[in-house]
Amino acid sequence: DTAVSQTPKYLVTQMGNDKSIKCEQNLGHDTMYWYKQDSKKFLKIMFSYNNKELIINETVPNRFSPKSPDKAHLNLHINSLELGDSAVYFCASTRAPNTEAFFGQGTRLTVV
Amino acid sequence: GNSVTQMEGPVTLSEEAFLTINCTYTATGYPSLFWYVQYPGEGLQLLLKATKADDKGSNKGFEATYRKETTSFHLEKGSVQVSDSAVYFCALYAGGTSYGKLTFGQGTILTVHP
Repeated sequence: DTAVSQTPKYLVTQMGNDKSIKCEQNLGHDTMYWYKQDSKKFLKIMFSYNNKELIINETVPNRFSPKSPDKAHLNLHINSLELGDSAVYFCASTRAPNTEAFFGQGTRLTVV
Repeated sequence: GNSVTQMEGPVTLSEEAFLTINCTYTATGYPSLFWYVQYPGEGLQLLLKATKADDKGSNKGFEATYRKETTSFHLEKGSVQVSDSAVYFCALYAGGTSYGKLTFGQGTILTVHP
């Protein structure tokens, strides 16, 4: 019954690898997001999709590529992982941008 | 651009103490304002919100009032509990050229001791 679910919860990988994080929401929301939280808890928006259309694309290395196969799913693919990519990545969704955002539990990515 | 500034943390309090976490913002127009809370090992969840000037948001004993004249949305609770230990984020949504973008403050870590 989880509203926004992300997999995996933990991801440990070596530098240079390619990995994906999946996100699904069952709330019927139109808008989904990816956020990166660093070790000091600072949250930075990365991408947002509205009805499968990219509406926010912040200054993020192009090694990061979001994919939205349908409006209930927003996946994040990361190529050539670097040590600095280590962080917690959160997926979120909203019915509309000025309404409550529902967050997944996060994916803790550790690049070694 | 839009921005949110929160008081520096971490904040450490004893149980039943009064809590204030300051939040000020810069935005064009009339943003909606939010407080989100992140408990250890979890994602963020909405604590309260206010959508126009002088609105007061409240939930679980927490309150915050939208003050347009001081561009502030300070979070208060009269008597904190150990279970309130978490990270608190102030956020705004302004729309317009920032359509779809929720802007967060840097977060304030709160620890409450018995």
